Amino acid sequence: DTGVSQDPRHKITKRGQNVTFRCDPISEHNRLYWYRQTLGQGPEFLTYFQNEAQLEKSRLLSNRFSAERPKGSFSTLEIQRTEQGDSAMYLCASSRSGGSNTEAFFGQGTRLTVV
Amino acid sequence: DQQVKQNSPSLSVQEGRISILNCDYTNSMFDYFLWYKKYPAEGPTFLISISSIKDKNEDGRFTVFLNKSAKHLSLHIVPSQPGDSAVYFCAASAIGTDKLIFGTGTRLQVFP
Repeated sequence: DTGVSQDPRHKITKRGQNVTFRCDPISEHNRLYWYRQTLGQGPEFLTYFQNEAQLEKSRLLSNRFSAERPKGSFSTLEIQRTEQGDSAMYLCASSRSGGSNTEAFFGQGTRLTVV
Repeated sequence: DQQVKQNSPSLSVQEGRISILNCDYTNSMFDYFLWYKKYPAEGPTFLISISSIKDKNEDGRFTVFLNKSAKHLSLHIVPSQPGDSAVYFCAASAIGTDKLIFGTGTRLQVFP
């Protein structure tokens, strides 16, 4: 399977705990994005990378959130001291670079529930 | 502020008929528009896109129309099939950035 892969698919954690999600993009894609989706809303942009460089971060991304893409391949998204408001579907997507107008392909997401 | 709006939260269409999903945007810097389909518990799946230099793009049963003066786009599905039942998201990106701004989605139900 050469699609975008996310792990885990589901995560339940207690408030205050740290969680880390992983995303493996499509192999030839050098852009990688993180989005968050809550019930009844469309996905909201969090951050994106071109290769290992983090090019943009949304103001939605508080200082409890950090994302890395150390070797320009897979990426991790860490949430520290989770809060109930962090409960959402976290989506990863990837695309080719080389100009604009390239569609992003999404993984199946990681559903986080903070109890 | 909601830069991409899908004002119809749901749409119900009979199998074989045309489904028309609408999307409005406010940012005149948007130059690329996409439609995604989403099933429950899955990530969005890319359907079709259109650049701002075009006013129509067609792919099989799916056609996207762009009216730049009205800042409006629509997705036409014809004929509609029960497997098309899903939530459809309109998304846009601005010149110089690849990040997508999504609408809130329209739930399409195609009944026999």
